[in-house]
This record gives sequence, structure tokens and C-alpha cells, in this order.
Amino acid sequence: GQQVMQIPQYQHVQEGEDFTTYCNSSTTLSNIQWYKQRPGGHPVFLIQLVKSGEVKKQKRLTFQFGEAKKNSSLHITATQTTDVGTYFCPTGGGNKLTFGTGTQLKVEL
Amino acid sequence: DAGVTQSPTHLIKTRGQQVTLRCSPKSGHDTVSWYQQALGQGPQFIFQYYEEEERQRGNFPDRFSGHQFPNYSSELNVNALLLGDSALYLCASSLRQGANGELFFGEGSRLTVL
Repeated sequence: GQQVMQIPQYQHVQEGEDFTTYCNSSTTLSNIQWYKQRPGGHPVFLIQLVKSGEVKKQKRLTFQFGEAKKNSSLHITATQTTDVGTYFCPTGGGNKLTFGTGTQLKVEL
Repeated sequence: DAGVTQSPTHLIKTRGQQVTLRCSPKSGHDTVSWYQQALGQGPQFIFQYYEEEERQRGNFPDRFSGHQFPNYSSELNVNALLLGDSALYLCASSLRQGANGELFFGEGSRLTVL
């Protein structure tokens, strides 16, 4: 898979604020996945996006796949301390995923 | 239903030694992939095993080798350890013909090379 650029690298927010992380590719992606890794933990699958312009929601999390399938975003509404962790948007398939450095989210009370 | 289990959880080795890490995939899964995660970095793909054969390999030297057993469990072997091999080694399991490409990761084995 192609490695995508993910921004920001770090984000500190106050609890209750919103948070967004973006993944951008110079080439068209066949799909993109999102994983969350808590501090000291292992990556946990959140979602896979495949279709152009796709929008999926999981409670306070909203995932989007761009119309050109070159970018994706994860938006968290009203962050909570349980949202702390690093969010990755790996690409690829067939179990061979290419991970970037992710976005590390810290939530302060 | 047990998830992906890895052993050992932590281990310390010295340069030049060899290490074997073990992984049991989630029940019903037939494919195992190994990833290396250095501190502050994302996981990097090492290789994937399916039907007891290495199917895909990332950019890792031959010092990294593996095996998959008939019960789908897998081992990762690293020879001639270097300081730079210190990392969290993650095992991920899935179905070869999985519908959504989801990988289930284990808790990892944290290797420290002194």
C-alpha cells in the first residue's frame, strides 16, 4: 500500500472539544482503514472505507473518504478521556498494511 | 472466544543472540502477519503466512524468518540480534478471504536488545 501523510502528528485538546485527523495520498487509494492504539496497547480496527465519498459514523466518530479517494478524515465530536491514543490510517490490502506515524491525541480534563 | 495471543510479553536479549516469538491467531482465522513497531512509529509489515508458507514479505533482512504450523499458529525468529531490533513485535490474524480486511492484533511481544 501507499504510505499516506497524516496530520497533525500530535493534538492536545480539552475534554469536550472536537478533534479531526487527516490522511492524504498523492495517488488514488483502493481503500483505507482506521485503527486506534491506546498508550501501551495494540492497534484496534475501527473501520474500512472503500467507496468514493463514503461517510460512516460510529457514535461520536465520523469517518470520510474523499471523492477522489486520495484523502480521508476521522472526526471525533466532544472528545472524552477514553479517546486518548494514536490513530492510524493504514493503506493496502491482503493483510499487508502500510502504516504511517499516526496522530497522537491527548485529552486534558 | 480467545483473541490473538502472543508470548512472551516481554523479553531482554543481548546483541548477537537469537529470539523466537510465538502467536496463536484468533479462533477461525487462517492467516498470520507479523509487524515491528519501534517506539513512536507505526507498525511495519515484516511478513505474512498462509497455509504454512510465507506469502508476502516487507523490507526486512533474512535475519527475520518465520513459520506457520498446521494449527495456524506462527513463530517469528530473529537471528543475530542488533540494538535496532528493539521494538514491539505485533502479530495480526485474519481470514485470507476476509470480507473487510480487518486485522486483529495481539498485545505484542516487547523485545529489548542490550
